[in-house]
Amino acid sequence: DTAVSQTPKYLVTQMGNDKSIKCEQNLGHDTMYWYKQDSKKFLKIMFSYNNKELIINETVPNRFSPKSPDKAHLNLHINSLELGDSAVYFCASSQQGKVYTGELFFGEGSRLTVL
Amino acid sequence: DQQVKQNSPSLSVQEGRISILNCDYTNSMFDYFLWYKKYPAEGPTFLISISSIKDKNEDGRFTVFLNKSAKHLSLHIVPSQPGDSAVYFCAASPLDGNYQLIWGAGTKLIIKP
Repeated sequence: DTAVSQTPKYLVTQMGNDKSIKCEQNLGHDTMYWYKQDSKKFLKIMFSYNNKELIINETVPNRFSPKSPDKAHLNLHINSLELGDSAVYFCASSQQGKVYTGELFFGEGSRLTVL
Repeated sequence: DQQVKQNSPSLSVQEGRISILNCDYTNSMFDYFLWYKKYPAEGPTFLISISSIKDKNEDGRFTVFLNKSAKHLSLHIVPSQPGDSAVYFCAASPLDGNYQLIWGAGTKLIIKP
């Protein structure tokens, strides 16, 4: 059983399109995150939800909109895709947002390529 | 502005020897440090952590050392095994940063047979 699963794993699309990446965790965690790993391999947090409430919203274009229908799901919708959006997007979860305990569980990543 | 730096993009070590991965940080407000390991096509997985009240934390073959005055930490793996070949990320968090981790760019460790 995959603890944090995200779909699709690979996504190739044209500029200007709208796409979504879904994430689900079965760990019973109450905090979920979206991270972006850019071309320089840095992992940067984009959003964090705690019990369906937005906690972190970093400087991310408003073309990116997270949606959390329940605390086990955090989806990422991207409008009007641009070339610079090409990256690997990781979903993660933790219990009570306690990242400093190390208990941050990641999905396998979704590689988005914008042509 | 890179607050967490891993200056070695890659490191090659003979199997059985010690692997030492380094990490430097600039923000003195960071109070908790973590190492994650990542295999290709997988997400990072937690490896070991250390808080600023300690200078060493050990877990089996893995030991993390923290030098607060130098704003430097290192991960020692001894002995290195082929399964240790992966990318290792250093991450840092302020003590009250419940939701934030600041990540380094990672170091790719290659264990040679």
